[in-house]
Amino acid sequence: EVHLVESGGGLVQPGRSLRLSCAASGFTFDDYPMHWVRQAPGKGLEWVSHITWNSVNIGYADSVKGRFTISRDNAKNALYLQMSGLRAEDTALYYCARRARGDWSLEYWGQGTLVTVSS
Amino acid sequence: QSALTQPPSASGSPGQSITISCTGTSSDVGGYNYVSWYQQHPGKVPKLMIYGVSKRPSGVPDRFSGSKSGNTASLTVSGLQAEDEADYYCSSYAGSDNLIFGGGTKVTVL
Repeated sequence: EVHLVESGGGLVQPGRSLRLSCAASGFTFDDYPMHWVRQAPGKGLEWVSHITWNSVNIGYADSVKGRFTISRDNAKNALYLQMSGLRAEDTALYYCARRARGDWSLEYWGQGTLVTVSS
Repeated sequence: QSALTQPPSASGSPGQSITISCTGTSSDVGGYNYVSWYQQHPGKVPKLMIYGVSKRPSGVPDRFSGSKSGNTASLTVSGLQAEDEADYYCSSYAGSDNLIFGGGTKVTVL
C-alpha cells in the first residue's frame, strides 16, 4: 500500500527557512515523479513544485520560484522541500503527492504538514 | 500561471446530473490531454476522480465522467448522491514541468 508521510511543518517567522520532508513507502520510489501541493486555510489547492524520478526535470509555481527548492533522495525514499524567505502567504497545509507515470494526475497524496508563517 | 476558472458552486438534487466546467487556455487545458479532477471532502485529502481528461481510476464510480472541448474541460456527476457533496478541483499540465489547478467548485446536494 502506498504511504506518503509529510513532516517538518510548524510555526516560523517571516523571512526564515524551513525544510519539509515526505517519507514514501509501499512502492518503488525512484519509478515516480513527485509533487508538492499546498492549501491555505479555507482556500483551494495550489501546485507548488514537481520533480522527475531522476531530478533532471523540475518545475516551480511562480509564487515560490527562487525561494523554494525541491529535491529527492531515492536511496532514502524521501522527497524534500526547502523553503526560504517565508511569507505570511506561504501559510498552508503542504501535501506531497505521487504523480502517475505517463500522466500528470496526482494519484496518491499524503495527509499534509501545516506550515504557519507568523511573527 | 493563472488558475484555471471553475464556477465557485454547483448544486443538484439526488439523482440529478451536474456538470462543472474548468476553463483554461491553449497553453494548458487546450494544449494537452492531461486534465485531472479531484474530490475533496471537508478536512480530507484530495482524491483523484478523473485523469487524462476522461479516464477513471479503479474504484471511482462510473457516475463520474470527464470531457474536454477546446480550452474547457468538464466533469459530470450523474445520479447525484449525498456523498458527492464536496469540493471539486480540476488540474492541467501547463508545459515546462508546471501544473495548474482550478479555484475549486463546491458541490451541494440539495
